[in-house]
Amino acid sequence: DARVTQTPRHKVTEMGQEVTMRCQPILGHNTVFWYRQTMMQGLELLAYFRNRAPLDDSGMPKDRFSAEMPDATLATLKIQPSEPRDSAVYFCASQEAGVYNEQFFGPGTRLTVL
Amino acid sequence: GIQVEQSPPDLILQEGANSTLRCNFSDSVNNLQWFHQNPWGQLINLFYIPSGTKQNGRLSATTVATERYSLLYISSSQTTDSGVYFCAANQGGKLIFGQGTELSVKP
Repeated sequence: DARVTQTPRHKVTEMGQEVTMRCQPILGHNTVFWYRQTMMQGLELLAYFRNRAPLDDSGMPKDRFSAEMPDATLATLKIQPSEPRDSAVYFCASQEAGVYNEQFFGPGTRLTVL
Repeated sequence: GIQVEQSPPDLILQEGANSTLRCNFSDSVNNLQWFHQNPWGQLINLFYIPSGTKQNGRLSATTVATERYSLLYISSSQTTDSGVYFCAANQGGKLIFGQGTELSVKP
């Protein structure tokens, strides 16, 4: 059963701490997206990679957020230092080759920054 | 950028009723997806429908790309249909989400 996996599922941390979220895309998918969901902004795109190369990170606060794809089976989103306004659900999605193909979402990481 | 608007924002149904959810988008899109976010927060793919009509059980969707809208039909609703329904328009490879329709189906 091919699916996107994300870890951790829940994370509670204190302001100023580093947070790392991980995503394993569906095997064979070459494009990986990071989205964030909040009550105020809804679902918004933070960044995405194709063939492990970053294509667009314009939705991401550059001073504290970083996204990488160290290999084809792992994408990471890091926040350092974290702030209470970063509290949200972070979703990873993957897509097979083809710019307009269907995107499939992982279960999300629910982040709470105290 | 493209705007995606969904209506209605909230909907309460009695079990067994039918409903239509609408998604309007302000510009041409490359494809359109419908999702159901269940009460546990998971985003479930319902339809990938750049144009035309598709059906999957009690659900069907129609996208009229030339008129920039898509409709999701739910027939004979069940309590398990409760949750938030999102449409998302793909423009240039990125999904732009609407604000969702929150559906509550009462037994």
